[in-house]
Amino acid sequence: GENVEQHPSTLSVQEGDSAVIKCTYSDSASNYFPWYKQELGKGPQLIIDIRSNVGEKKDQRIAVTLNKTAKHFSLHITETQPEDSAVYFCAASSGNDMRFGAGTRLTVKP
Amino acid sequence: DAGITQSPRHKVTETGTPVTLRCHQTENHRYMYWYRQDPGHGLRLIHYSYGVKDTDKGEVSDGYSVSRSKTEDFLLTLESATSSQTSVYFCAISTGWNTEAFFGQGTRLTVV
Repeated sequence: GENVEQHPSTLSVQEGDSAVIKCTYSDSASNYFPWYKQELGKGPQLIIDIRSNVGEKKDQRIAVTLNKTAKHFSLHITETQPEDSAVYFCAASSGNDMRFGAGTRLTVKP
Repeated sequence: DAGITQSPRHKVTETGTPVTLRCHQTENHRYMYWYRQDPGHGLRLIHYSYGVKDTDKGEVSDGYSVSRSKTEDFLLTLESATSSQTSVYFCAISTGWNTEAFFGQGTRLTVV
């Protein structure tokens, strides 16, 4: 089955700086790559996703890039704010088999 | 939370007892999922359903069973709870494969 690795496990940045989280996957059949944000005591919430026919996608301060050849994808958050502090999960899916990374705890210091 | 309700929100149970967690949705989404979340493992799929009475195993299905008798309800049963099943359980729903999944608030289960 699919194996997704996520780095780093913790990330601390100063408010206004950029944050980058990286994931690698193993199954070349994976074609859907969502990113979820989880705040304390809540369920994960989708923040952005990308499909295999697209190399990059942007939504305001958030962007995701995908390199299918290298089997890795990344989340970029620019101009970070304290409310960006949360745990972020990447995932890779080939249909009925979605696997999540172990998560990155992002702390944005004011 | 997209019309998803998990119950109970917290439960403490003893080893060897059966436990049932309930997920109720008001969105009429076809797909429903049960995940467990443990430190260092992210979210791992236990079972999923693609319609009434249509279910299948996920990555970590041993020791768990599910049932879906109505579109809106998806039950997760631990037949005989073990300490290794202490976890936070999330229900999720979606309209199809490779679409946005909406998660419930989670159920914290402790097996002592």
